[in-house]
Amino acid sequence: AQSVTQLDSQVPVFEEAPVELRCNYSSSVSVYLFWYVQYPNQGLQLLLKYLSGSTLVKSINGFEAEFNKSQTSFHLRKPSVHISDTAEYFCAVSVSGGSNYKLTFGKGTLLTVNP
Amino acid sequence: GAVVSQHPSRVICKSGTSVKIECRSLDFQATTMFWYRQFPKQSLMLMATSNEGSKATYEQGVEKDKFLINHASLTLSTLTVTSAHPEDSSFYICSAKTGGRPEAFFGQGTRLTVV
Repeated sequence: AQSVTQLDSQVPVFEEAPVELRCNYSSSVSVYLFWYVQYPNQGLQLLLKYLSGSTLVKSINGFEAEFNKSQTSFHLRKPSVHISDTAEYFCAVSVSGGSNYKLTFGKGTLLTVNP
Repeated sequence: GAVVSQHPSRVICKSGTSVKIECRSLDFQATTMFWYRQFPKQSLMLMATSNEGSKATYEQGVEKDKFLINHASLTLSTLTVTSAHPEDSSFYICSAKTGGRPEAFFGQGTRLTVV
């Protein structure tokens, strides 16, 4: 079975500051890794994903995450955050090559960007 | 692309009645759909997985007779909460994926309140 640990339940930062949201996973088999963002009372939006290839993946709105196999991590970073980045962020894994690619989620990190 | 529409976004029903939630993939064929439940300030709990034309597979502890899932077409899955009770009040979210690809796309969620 897989598990995901998001080490910080809440991360408050000031606008334009850098941020890192940490994610570690545990799995005995190869996995795919995802970051989803959830705004209040809404569903989840796929932010970025690692399936294979380059270990550094980037989103269109400035976020990036790096897959580190030796440390079993997939931390999310942004060099300069905006007020609009305030949301809940979920890290998730699924087994690569699985039949349904069921997602296992972390407990989420609430990013609050203050002016 | 990859839009999943969930309806209704909010519903209030009386205790003992049933309520149906729809999940539609608008621009792709959803061979697999997932239904989640999310409690306040918590992560998503997978309730069941459904493949088009097959019976849903429920996670341990989820009552299949209470949460009826139908995935009759490649673009529509429904979740019916039968004989609803106040403890069923929650945020329900669906997601959908197409065969062979690991990414799942989420609906906007449905806030169910049972009074």
